[in-house]
Amino acid sequence: SQTIHQWPATLVQPVGSPLSLECTVEGTSNPNLYWYRQAAGRGLQLLFYSVGIGQISSEVPQNLSASRPQDRQFILSSKKLLLSDSGFYLCAWSDRVVETQYFGPGTRLLVL
Amino acid sequence: GEDVEQSLFLSVREGDSSVINCTYTDSSSTYLYWYKQEPGAGLQLLTYIFSNMDMKQDQRLTVLLNKKDKHLSLRIADTQTGDSAIYFCAERHGGYQKVTFGIGTKLQVIP
Repeated sequence: SQTIHQWPATLVQPVGSPLSLECTVEGTSNPNLYWYRQAAGRGLQLLFYSVGIGQISSEVPQNLSASRPQDRQFILSSKKLLLSDSGFYLCAWSDRVVETQYFGPGTRLLVL
Repeated sequence: GEDVEQSLFLSVREGDSSVINCTYTDSSSTYLYWYKQEPGAGLQLLTYIFSNMDMKQDQRLTVLLNKKDKHLSLRIADTQTGDSAIYFCAERHGGYQKVTFGIGTKLQVIP
């Protein structure tokens, strides 16, 4: 069966510091991968999605970037964090047939 | 445009039925989903319905789709305290990987 992992689970970072959040998927090949941000405990905002290694689409202009160095690895990064980057970051994957999205446990980021 | 709307809050008594409603705007939606999010956790897929279906039932969950009115609902029978969570409605747009989520409905179950 497929599983999706995210780490770290919680992160507290100072403003201006770099960021790297990792997401990995097991049990599937060539998935679509997604990064979402959930602010204030509510709605989801799609940040990036990827249909293959090295292929990244950005949905909104922002301080963050994403990379997919391997088929089942998706990384969310920033060179300098802003206060407004605080939130709950969710990674998701979908297959290419039904394309239903399955979510990881999330990373809670607090920028101080 | 693509928009999914839900009410923010619903309170029900334990044992009653809960009905969470959602409206969407994209007539080309192919799949519609319901996700559940418990505090501090990721989203858990509850069920989904293909756009050519009117109804789908899965144990205590019933999904109704009115494609003409672009209205989706989730009924939870015999609601339990463990059902307390935020429920997200989502639509997948035809021929595209993008899924649009509603803002989520917080369901509070009163013992």
